[in-house]
Amino acid sequence: NAGVMQNPRHLVRRRGQEARLRCSPVKGHSHVYWYRQLPEEGLKFMVYLQKENIIDESGMPKERFSAEFPKEGPSILRIQQVVRGDSAAYFCASSPRTGTTDTQYFGPGTRLTVL
Amino acid sequence: EDKVVQSPLSLVVHEGDTVTLNCSYEVTNFRSLLWYKQEKKAPTFLFMLTSSGIEKKSGRLSSILDKKELFSILNITATQTGDSAIYLCAPKTGDDKIIFGKGTRLHILP
Repeated sequence: NAGVMQNPRHLVRRRGQEARLRCSPVKGHSHVYWYRQLPEEGLKFMVYLQKENIIDESGMPKERFSAEFPKEGPSILRIQQVVRGDSAAYFCASSPRTGTTDTQYFGPGTRLTVL
Repeated sequence: EDKVVQSPLSLVVHEGDTVTLNCSYEVTNFRSLLWYKQEKKAPTFLFMLTSSGIEKKSGRLSSILDKKELFSILNITATQTGDSAIYLCAPKTGDDKIIFGKGTRLHILP
């Protein structure tokens, strides 16, 4: 009965390093969403993926950020050459299929701190 | 640009009080509206509203949507300290994007 799993829960990186955030959706869910929550702000949509496909990446910064959801394994959000402004909580959510009747189930988040 | 405005931004009340949280939205391709409760972890789902005027209830919580006036309210009656959290309003679009408001930070005093 596992929900959405994210790891690591906390990640500390120095400026210029790479950050890799992992998300394992609920078993059987084929849709994954990534959100970023900056301090004192609401959640902001970043990207929506299905297996092996990026469906909507309109919320992703144009540079340094990328996401994938391979056929096997977790979804990965990758941030290259991190900067202090990337410090935030990154949440992943999953849903079984597209449709207005399906809500998204959230993981516990990864808190990224850039020193 | 899609916009979600929640009010008040923060609210402090005493245990037992009733609170009403407001959410107004301007979203293209609107399909439904979600309410989440966020404590020190991920948001947890409360309600999904798709039709106007139909109240959804879960214990002491209830919510209603007005698609004509583009707003929703979340009511909590007989509040308890465990209700202290950030409550997020989140319209969902037809292409499955969820747009979150900044939330209402609710603090219940014992």
